[in-house]
Amino acid sequence: SQQGEEDPQALSIQEGENATMNCSYKTSINNLQWYRQNSGRGLVHLILIRSNEREKHSGRLRVTLDTSKKSSSLLITASRAADTASYFCATDPTDNTNAGKSTFGDGTTLTVKP
Amino acid sequence: DGGITQSPKYLFRKEGQNVTLSCEQNLNHDAMYWYRQDPGQGLRLIYYSQIVNDFQKGDIAEGYSVSREKKESFPLTVTSAQKNPTAFYLCASLQGAGNTEAFFGQGTRLTVV
Repeated sequence: SQQGEEDPQALSIQEGENATMNCSYKTSINNLQWYRQNSGRGLVHLILIRSNEREKHSGRLRVTLDTSKKSSSLLITASRAADTASYFCATDPTDNTNAGKSTFGDGTTLTVKP
Repeated sequence: DGGITQSPKYLFRKEGQNVTLSCEQNLNHDAMYWYRQDPGQGLRLIYYSQIVNDFQKGDIAEGYSVSREKKESFPLTVTSAQKNPTAFYLCASLQGAGNTEAFFGQGTRLTVV
């Protein structure tokens, strides 16, 4: 089963609103990463948060990590139509058998209406 | 410019044929990965390689094969044993396991005709 699972599956908002998407995972991790994918394209790395960090900012992005709940959230503030994309979380597990195997969730599809 | 390049962008395969997808990177990254993505779904790991001349199966390796003869190259062969190969294939590389971001190619869309 997928290590990271995002919710909601789909999110539709108006330009200027904030968008929040969540990621849950199952096992201990070294870090968690968020990626963006425009339709039919490759993924682009947005932000990485390490297991000993609780919050991280990058421009309009804010990521939180709660290792006790095994969950993370990505907040996009003041959204723009250009933010329309799918967003994925990926986890880097700590256990040796899965070392180097980042696993991805099914993603949240965000639509920002102009 | 450094980056990761996949080719071709679109590929059509007849049933029973093997096809090879190319992935090249000039980022001097040690680790390379192949993922499969079906419509509306996430990425599933096919194979990965953390060092030249070594690779491991991912979660859905059946019907696929890879090689890693050079650091820069990690080609994926979709064999006739893969019963449902129509999908979007993504290659990624990263400098080393843990704490580094993955760089992705633009993908190859494979269709069986």
